Parts: sequence; C-alpha cells; structure tokens
Amino acid sequence: GQQVMQIPQYQHVQEGEDFTTYCNSSTTLSNIQWYKQRPGGHPVFLIQLVKSGEVKKQKRLTFQFGEAKKNSSLHITATQTTDVGTYFCAGQKGGSEKLVFGKGTKLTVNP
Amino acid sequence: GAVVSQHPSRVICKSGTSVKIECRSLDFQATTMFWYRQFPKQSLMLMATSNEGSKATYEQGVEKDKFLINHASLTLSTLTVTSAHPEDSSFYICSARDRVGGTYNEQFFGPGTRLTVL
Repeated sequence: GQQVMQIPQYQHVQEGEDFTTYCNSSTTLSNIQWYKQRPGGHPVFLIQLVKSGEVKKQKRLTFQFGEAKKNSSLHITATQTTDVGTYFCAGQKGGSEKLVFGKGTKLTVNP
Repeated sequence: GAVVSQHPSRVICKSGTSVKIECRSLDFQATTMFWYRQFPKQSLMLMATSNEGSKATYEQGVEKDKFLINHASLTLSTLTVTSAHPEDSSFYICSARDRVGGTYNEQFFGPGTRLTVL
C-alpha cells in the first residue's frame, strides 16, 4: 500500500537556526498537505501543494513539492520557540479522500 | 470557521465496557469524517472513513465490530469502542472535510479523545 516516509524523526535546534523536514512517498501523489501538532494538541492544517515543482511560502516557512510529485519538504528559517511541535506531511492519491500521514518530525527549539 | 469538536476529551473506563466518542463539525457540513488513532509519539493511523448516511469504510486490520462508526448527520459522527480492553487505550482523533470543499480539501481535526482502559 501507499507509504509516506518522513525524516528526521526528531530535530533539536538552537533558536535562530534553520530546520528542514523531508517527506517521500512510494507512489505519485495528487497533492501533499502539511500539518503541525503542538504538544498536547491536535494536527492543524498548514498548507497544501498540488502542482509539480510547486513552492509556497508562509512567512518563515517554505514548502516544496517535487517535480515527480513524490517528495516534499518543509523548511523553517530562523526558528523560534513558537515553532516547537511535530510537523506531519500527508499525501493524497488521485481519486481517494484518504490522507496517508508520515511519521512526523518532532522539532524542539532551545532558547 | 471550520471547527471540529470532540467529546469527551478524556475518558477512563473499565475493561469490557463500551465507550462512545462524538465528533461534530460546528460551523460547516461534513460529508466525510475520518477517524484516526494516534499512539504516543507516533503518527496518525487512519482507522476508517465515515460518510454521512452510509456505512463506514474501514482500513485493513481495523475490526469493524469493535469500532462501530455511525455518521447520522452532516455534522455528527460517532465512534463506539465496544468491549474495550487495555490495548485499546490510545488517543482517538476525528477529522472532517467541508462539504463545500473550498480552496483546499484539507481536513479539520478535532481536539482528540484520550481513552484509558483499566
């Protein structure tokens, strides 16, 4: 079945450093979504990428979707303590409503 | 907008009892709701897809007789864990898609229900 791999599992950074999490699907996706889950909270939608090679920015966050629509990345520039949480990618195949989640990357930021 | 509520937020029950968890879309209609299970420090595992007015579609390995799902209206889906056992202890999260769809087809997640079976 469809699998979505995400690395790294954990990332510890000093405040101000950059952070990147990578996502790779075993199959071509129709879109990929990114969610953030704060400690003790629930996943919150960040963004959806649909087009091959798409790049979207949200302030310090940059999201990319690979040309083959099988991989994606989330890059945070100059992390802040408010960025802590687990970032999940979730892939969706054409014709399916299901989202297949990666295992997530837990980000901790040392002040 | 796009708020999903879950009730209860936390429940502790004895082994063998049944527990019902409600998932409501508060300000939109959700044709489809999803039920996930999340183990500590792990990802979300889709259990089933719930469509209003029809039977839920369960993922492989999920016992439909143990996890009963009812999606009676466009704003309410329920998950009943029947004859709960300690291994059913987990964090159960529902999500919903807006019927209208909007720009994205993102899922809006409820706050989750922490189930502990003694």
